[in-house]
Amino acid sequence: GAVVSQHPSRVICKSGTSVKIECRSLDFQATTMFWYRQFPKQSLMLMATSNEGSKATYEQGVEKDKFLINHASLTLSTLTVTSAHPEDSSFYICSAAGTLYGYTFGSGTRLTVV
Amino acid sequence: GQSLEQPSEVTAVEGAIVQINCTYQTSGFYGLSWYQQHDGGAPTFLSYNALDGLEETGRFSSFLSRSDSYGYLLLQELQMKDSASYFCAVRESAGGGNKLTFGTGTQLKVEL
Repeated sequence: GAVVSQHPSRVICKSGTSVKIECRSLDFQATTMFWYRQFPKQSLMLMATSNEGSKATYEQGVEKDKFLINHASLTLSTLTVTSAHPEDSSFYICSAAGTLYGYTFGSGTRLTVV
Repeated sequence: GQSLEQPSEVTAVEGAIVQINCTYQTSGFYGLSWYQQHDGGAPTFLSYNALDGLEETGRFSSFLSRSDSYGYLLLQELQMKDSASYFCAVRESAGGGNKLTFGTGTQLKVEL
């Protein structure tokens, strides 16, 4: 079956630093990658949609200069949280869309900014 | 804009049947999915309805009524391990492609 590998699973960083999260589709080509953020006891909120080789489309209210998304190949997408602050602490999850497998989620990254 | 509403919490006893409802407002609707999420984990796909009617997958069934913008997830023979959050999610058109938007989520507690 389709697998999306996401790492790191957990990261703690200092306020003001940047953190990169990677998602790789291991056995299929992800034409589209979605990035979600989830705060405790809340739903998954779509942050942005990226298509390979083109700029990401950000949802309303999401700062594109703060959450940099790169989808340079059909198997790799990255989310970089720049100048992280404690309020950015959250659970970040990617989801890859391939024509055959529908949506496949990564295992998530727990980001803690101290 | 789009919105998907679910009850925030449902409690049931082991062995019982529980129904989790989802009402949605969206444009460019393709279908309704259901996901299970345990604390600290990623969402796990349960079912998908593109057309009206009931889809059955083992102990889980999902129903969709497109005309009513309504769906539900039915869980039978509840087990303790079914305690989790359940999300409906709409697959909808977006910018030439499609995207998955999640509902507010329902916390299911299964008790002895």
